[in-house]
Amino acid sequence: DQQVKQNSPSLSVQEGRISILNCDYTNSMFDYFLWYKKYPAEGPTFLISISSIKDKNEDGRFTVFLNKSAKHLSLHIVPSQPGDSAVYFCAASATKYGGSQGNLIFGKGTKLSVKP
Amino acid sequence: KAGVTQTPRYLIKTRGQQVTLSCSPISGHRSVSWYQQTPGQGLQFLFEYFSETQRNKGNFPGRFSGRQFSNSRSEMNVSTLELGDSALYLCASSESPGGQDYNEQFFGPGTRLTVL
Repeated sequence: DQQVKQNSPSLSVQEGRISILNCDYTNSMFDYFLWYKKYPAEGPTFLISISSIKDKNEDGRFTVFLNKSAKHLSLHIVPSQPGDSAVYFCAASATKYGGSQGNLIFGKGTKLSVKP
Repeated sequence: KAGVTQTPRYLIKTRGQQVTLSCSPISGHRSVSWYQQTPGQGLQFLFEYFSETQRNKGNFPGRFSGRQFSNSRSEMNVSTLELGDSALYLCASSESPGGQDYNEQFFGPGTRLTVL
């Protein structure tokens, strides 16, 4: 049973427009959420995170929104650039200081393509 | 500082064989985690090592094992390979288990294992 779901395997967006990547979770104990970006032939790299005490966190062009009641989070990229084309993974944990990386549960990823 | 390195980058094996993958963490990092990435299941946690001790283990059969050496380098071994073991195996390092924040976990480029 998947606890973290990214229901869109792929997303295509025009350069300069907004990219919205979605993630749903089922475990109400999750209280810390992260987004990772992965280019082909490279490992995932951390992008942005949000704690459950917040509903929004912003870092430059990237903003993550959290809706706890809906158990839903989204990553907004504005404006989208061709270099943003990558696979984006949503991840969740029951505690920020989990004491073990095994507490981090990943979604299956969404492949974003930003067209020039 | 050099990043997380994984060797080999690509590997082709046949069913029934065994394989050993290697991971060298970032200098000073003592925690190493292993993940399996497949198109169908996304990123799944295998196990985590800290100070030569396995701290946590994911839901994988006993054919998957690992170890960590005194210099923090880690190896994972898969015995009696099956076709379904074909995947990208990612290693991630952090200064301590869980890190102070999960964003302190740095991934290597992965080893692409193909089982024929």
